[in-house]
Amino acid sequence: DAKTTQPPSMDCAEGRAANLPCNHSTISGNEYVYWYRQIHSQGPQYIIHGLKNNETNEMASLIITEDRKSSTLILPHATLRDTAVYYCIVTWSGNTGKLIFGQGTTLQVKP
Amino acid sequence: GAGVSQTPSNKVTEKGKYVELRCDPISGHTALYWYRQSLGQGPEFLIYFQGTGAADDSGLPNDRFFAVRPEGSVSTLKIQRTERGDSAVYLCASSLLAGGIPNEQFFGPGTRLTVL
Repeated sequence: DAKTTQPPSMDCAEGRAANLPCNHSTISGNEYVYWYRQIHSQGPQYIIHGLKNNETNEMASLIITEDRKSSTLILPHATLRDTAVYYCIVTWSGNTGKLIFGQGTTLQVKP
Repeated sequence: GAGVSQTPSNKVTEKGKYVELRCDPISGHTALYWYRQSLGQGPEFLIYFQGTGAADDSGLPNDRFFAVRPEGSVSTLKIQRTERGDSAVYLCASSLLAGGIPNEQFFGPGTRLTVL
């Protein structure tokens, strides 16, 4: 599985868009980009995934660069409840499904 | 519907003791995963079950750790001769299929294990 690099922490004002970057320069063609988040004292929660096209769901948008070496998770209108650690994970479809978590980005949404 | 449940939520034990941690996955999910999370770190993969069999146990740190899933549903993580370094939150997750797309794993709240 490709390694990912994320900033350790970020702040965002409540109501503004939160843009969380992830670098995965060694990603291979059959690997997907997944985002999970972990709110304090809870288990991780799936957010979104993508291969090469941009994706959007009710929680977030995922923008993947054309060369697929980096991506950005966008929370369009951050709320205090979005304060969490966000993990960017790269894994391939034929994998057993095990997730390799890095350190993630701690997002602090401030009022 | 019911999510993944784990019991106990907290477990305090003494060094050298044996502990069992239980995971009840979402009904119908064939894949089950155990992870361990130390303070300030991301979860670390331990073992994966597809049905009743352990398909990947490459993350188990040593032979003191063992997990079973005898009927393909509930799983138990067993730790023998616990050490202080085993203190962590043990997370269980399940998914409908292993390695499917999306690979959406549903996590339980975890069991916080403290070894004194």
